[in-house]
Amino acid sequence: ETGVTQSPTHLIKTRGQQVTLRCSSQSGHNTVSWYQQALGQGPQFIFQYYREEENGRGNFPPRFSGLQFPNYSSELNVNALELDDSALYLCASSAGQGARGYTFGSGTRLTVV
Amino acid sequence: GQSLEQPSEVTAVEGAIVQINCTYQTSGFYGLSWYQQHDGGAPTFLSYNALDGLEETGRFSSFLSRSDSYGYLLLQELQMKDSASYFCAVRDPPRDAGNMLTFGGGTRLMVKP
Repeated sequence: ETGVTQSPTHLIKTRGQQVTLRCSSQSGHNTVSWYQQALGQGPQFIFQYYREEENGRGNFPPRFSGLQFPNYSSELNVNALELDDSALYLCASSAGQGARGYTFGSGTRLTVV
Repeated sequence: GQSLEQPSEVTAVEGAIVQINCTYQTSGFYGLSWYQQHDGGAPTFLSYNALDGLEETGRFSSFLSRSDSYGYLLLQELQMKDSASYFCAVRDPPRDAGNMLTFGGGTRLMVKP
C-alpha cells in the first residue's frame, strides 16, 4: 500500500503571493489533517477534512484554507504569504476520525522571502 | 488550551535504555501518542495510550498515568538508527469539530557508539 505523498517537496515564494500544496492520502484513509512545523518545533494543527468538509480547525487565520476531493486527496492553500509562514507543511491521513495513529507525509518545505 | 512539556535533548549510548518523559496540561484528553521523526523525514507513529499503564511494541514501550497527566516513551537496546526527534502528542476527544493532535516541542535523541 502506498503511504501519504505530498507535492511539491520544496517551494520558494515571495511575501504576498499565494501557494497551493497537495496531498494524496494513504489508500483506504478518508480523513486528512494538515500541520505546520516550524524549525525545531512540534507540528501545529491547521485543520482536518472528513468527507470533503472541514471539521476541525486550529489557531490559524482564514487565509489558510483547504479542500478535500472525492478520492480523499487534499489541498492546502495559503493566501497573502508572510515571512512567518516559512515552515514544513505536513499532511496526515487516517482511517476515520477515531484512528489510533496518523500516517504523515514527508511534507512540503515552504520558504517565503 | 493545551500544552505539553518534554526534554529538548537526550543523549545515550548504543545498547542502553532511555526514557523520554512528557507532561501535559489539556482541556480535553483522549489519549497520548508518540511519534518519531528523523531529520527531513515524516513523523512516524510509534504508540498510543488511551488508558493508564504500559503498552509494549518491540523495543519501544509507552506508559500513561492520567491522574498525573504524565507519560513516557521507553526505548531499549538503543541503536544508532534511533537517533531522531520524538514527539508526544495529546489527542482531543472526538467531537463535531474533528479531533486534532497537540504536539510537544520534541525531544532530540542522540545515540552515540
